[in-house]
Amino acid sequence: DAGITQSPRYKITETGRQVTLMCHQTWSHSYMFWYRQDLGHGLRLIYYSAAADITDKGEVPDGYVVSRSKTENFPLTLESATRSQTSVYFCASSESIGASSSYNEQFFGPGTRLTVL
Amino acid sequence: AQKVTQAQTEISVVEKEDVTLDCVYETRDTTYYLFWYKQPPSGELVFLIRRNSFDEQNEISGRYSWNFQKSTSSFNFTITASQVVDSAVYFCALDNYGQNFVFGPGTRLSVLP
Repeated sequence: DAGITQSPRYKITETGRQVTLMCHQTWSHSYMFWYRQDLGHGLRLIYYSAAADITDKGEVPDGYVVSRSKTENFPLTLESATRSQTSVYFCASSESIGASSSYNEQFFGPGTRLTVL
Repeated sequence: AQKVTQAQTEISVVEKEDVTLDCVYETRDTTYYLFWYKQPPSGELVFLIRRNSFDEQNEISGRYSWNFQKSTSSFNFTITASQVVDSAVYFCALDNYGQNFVFGPGTRLSVLP
């Protein structure tokens, strides 16, 4: 199906384990983003990517690693999960960003609810 | 640094009432975008509107309208004749052309039948 998908949708893990959240988009959008949503904070940007092999930190990158070997995939890895990383994680994509008339909004995936025990 | 404030944590209205959701932003940039997103109980994020900092025209889309005022750094969202299906969390967001996309904490709107 066309669009942006995330897997798994729900994940329970233990402190110290490595966890990878997957994000896949079928639009060939250049830009992809990872956010976490916590009560009282709205959405906070973790990492974003402008293209394959180009990534940059957002507001809260500590404890996370990303990669983007292919345009359509943007996995997020928690190398050693902590309880403070319990959250809902959203992936998003956008055709472009910046000062141009072709600026598009971000399209969001359905989210992954991660619980770290 | 960019910041978005949505002072109303929760709002409850009765169906058919009008309701305004406030959004105040802070940025040192002269060019930026403002957004509103809706998050219904199902959890997905739905794009509602994008506004360029150069365009202060108000916008109306059906029962939705947006009032952008640079002088007060506000981008308020009004729902006219609210309906139960409008119940959701609404997020205001600011983007200085991709350098830093910042969301507000959200306002939970409950529309009661």
